[in-house]
Amino acid sequence: EVQLVESGGGLVQPGRSLRLSCAASGFNFDDYAMHWVRQAPGKGLEWVSSISWNRAYIGYADSVRGRFTISRDNAKNSVYLQMNSLRAEDTAFYYCAKMSSGYSYGYFDYWGPGMLVTVSS
Amino acid sequence: EIVMTQSPATLSVSPGETATLSCRASQSVSSNLAWYQQKPGQAPRLLIYDASTRATGIPARFSGSGSGTEFTLTISSLQSEDFTVYYCQQYDDWPPLTFGGGTKVEIK
Repeated sequence: EVQLVESGGGLVQPGRSLRLSCAASGFNFDDYAMHWVRQAPGKGLEWVSSISWNRAYIGYADSVRGRFTISRDNAKNSVYLQMNSLRAEDTAFYYCAKMSSGYSYGYFDYWGPGMLVTVSS
Repeated sequence: EIVMTQSPATLSVSPGETATLSCRASQSVSSNLAWYQQKPGQAPRLLIYDASTRATGIPARFSGSGSGTEFTLTISSLQSEDFTVYYCQQYDDWPPLTFGGGTKVEIK
């Protein structure tokens, strides 16, 4: 059974940093791209970032480029999102999502339960 | 960036009837389109990919159609658990991957 479990969320002040983690199990992690998708409370879904199976293809939404960094550790079956210079508009539920292929374009076949990040003073 | 537009924003349908949801792309995405269902307090769940292929375990009452810029999700014989929010997503172009704004299916 595929499982994705996010951790590291919570309340953070504007301008500070936070690192999200996603632990994966139930599939061959090395073979698939991984993504982060967020959803502001009561709003729609927004793709944030992705990393291909071999780290060769990494992408960011314009809204986070230069502030967020995605990475993965295939030995630990984990993907990370380092979020710096956080803003109030980054407040959202952050979902870790498994891509349907090893490359960064495709559909999301499994999602983690999501984790709230609140940026507020 | 490919902009995805869903309509209507809210659809009122009676249980047992059929709901028809629309998704339009600002440029052709071929058949590279997925549909997701999201219930309150839960993560999205994949329903349809490649515009018309049901994901594993998805009931046959969910069907997808379309290609290019116009897509439809049809939910027949609506059941109580189907009244929730649905999103479309294109994966023809990256980055970014883009979602529609969502359609809420509510009980009439």
